[in-house]
Amino acid sequence: KAGVTQTPRYLIKTRGQQVTLSCSPISGHRSVSWYQQTPGQGLQFLFEYFSETQRNKGNFPGRFSGRQFSNSRSEMNVSTLELGDSALYLCASSLQFSLAGISNEQFFGPGTRLTVL
Amino acid sequence: KNEVEQSPQNLTAQEGEFITINCSYSVGISALHWLQQHPGGGIVSLFMLSSGKKKHGRLIATINIQEKHSSLHITASHPRDSAVYICAVGVTSYDKVIFGPGTSLSVIP
Repeated sequence: KAGVTQTPRYLIKTRGQQVTLSCSPISGHRSVSWYQQTPGQGLQFLFEYFSETQRNKGNFPGRFSGRQFSNSRSEMNVSTLELGDSALYLCASSLQFSLAGISNEQFFGPGTRLTVL
Repeated sequence: KNEVEQSPQNLTAQEGEFITINCSYSVGISALHWLQQHPGGGIVSLFMLSSGKKKHGRLIATINIQEKHSSLHITASHPRDSAVYICAVGVTSYDKVIFGPGTSLSVIP
């Protein structure tokens, strides 16, 4: 069974631009969660999607958005990029949605490393 | 004070040593996760606990809900165990997950 895939793996953008990251979950998994990891803040929960609906959202500004398609693939978008958005963005998939932001078993993708110049 | 704390922040051990990493939290939780992150970013979920103890190979995780504390033990450590270990808690009161800062482990041959 193929694992969680994320594209692209690396991305360089400039301030003010927008970016779209993609996550393909493990086949059969309907929940996709997104996380941001920075050296200063560590790992932080962005949002979770289940059956095309956002079920949970972390404390991030509205510039961060996402969606999930009928095949469970998910995208996240960051508009008006800031230097502080430079981070590793991880997605994780699981069979069911989490009850309190943490699910029974999550499988993580390799991440997309975004650099904002 | 951070809601989830880990100790130690960094740990260097000789191959074969018994290792303990601690996680303390100050909020009510539904479950606690231990994650392993290797250089390059890949994260693997090791355990999810809501009570008691779990064991998988050389790894043992325990949780004490009353004391709001969890430990991850590695027996007979090996250089391939070198990674960052992160504890994450699911917070029931506001339906969120909070991550600890991580413990960086280096096991020397």
